[in-house]
Amino acid sequence: NAGVTQTPKFRVLKTGQSMTLLCAQDMNHEYMYWYRQDPGMGLRLIHYSVGEGTTAKGEVPDGYNVSRLKKQNFLLGLESAAPSQTSVYFCASSPRSTNEQFFGPGTRLTVL
Amino acid sequence: GIQVEQSPPDLILQEGANSTLRCNFSDSVNNLQWFHQNPWGQLINLFYIPSGTKQNGRLSATTVATERYSLLYISSSQTTDSGVYFCAGTSGNFNKFYFGSGTKLNVKP
Repeated sequence: NAGVTQTPKFRVLKTGQSMTLLCAQDMNHEYMYWYRQDPGMGLRLIHYSVGEGTTAKGEVPDGYNVSRLKKQNFLLGLESAAPSQTSVYFCASSPRSTNEQFFGPGTRLTVL
Repeated sequence: GIQVEQSPPDLILQEGANSTLRCNFSDSVNNLQWFHQNPWGQLINLFYIPSGTKQNGRLSATTVATERYSLLYISSSQTTDSGVYFCAGTSGNFNKFYFGSGTKLNVKP
């Protein structure tokens, strides 16, 4: 099992550009999450999904959109990137039974 | 949302020493987890511990949910224990996790 994977690992964008981050999990987990981590801080929840076709806002949702068309995938989109979105983005998944989260390796995004 | 306070923020240990990390929550907490973020940035699950005590090798954790805190014990520390330790949990909303700012541990040989 690959667990939770994230694509890409690194990306550099210019202000105003758009991009999509892909998270995939092969553990058949119901719940999936997107977080951002800024230097010296803990993770902050952006959006989450409790099942295919459903998404909800987390603590810092502004400037991001998400979609969960398939149970195993959770996409995070930036429509118009801003320097404030420079961060490391982590995806996680968890089973409904315990909600114990398992994290992907992260995507380092720089917006110039 | 809930506030998560971790202490100490920084910790330097000599190899072989023991330590206790603490996590306090501003409200009742569910789904409490401890993670280790290694120097390469990878988040590693240590414990899923909504309540009670668990042990895994040199590490153990205790959560007292009614008093809104959790403790992580590291015994006989090794240089590979270096990194940042995070606790996280939910309160009310089952899926809204809140993380502490972490304890940065440096174990010197």
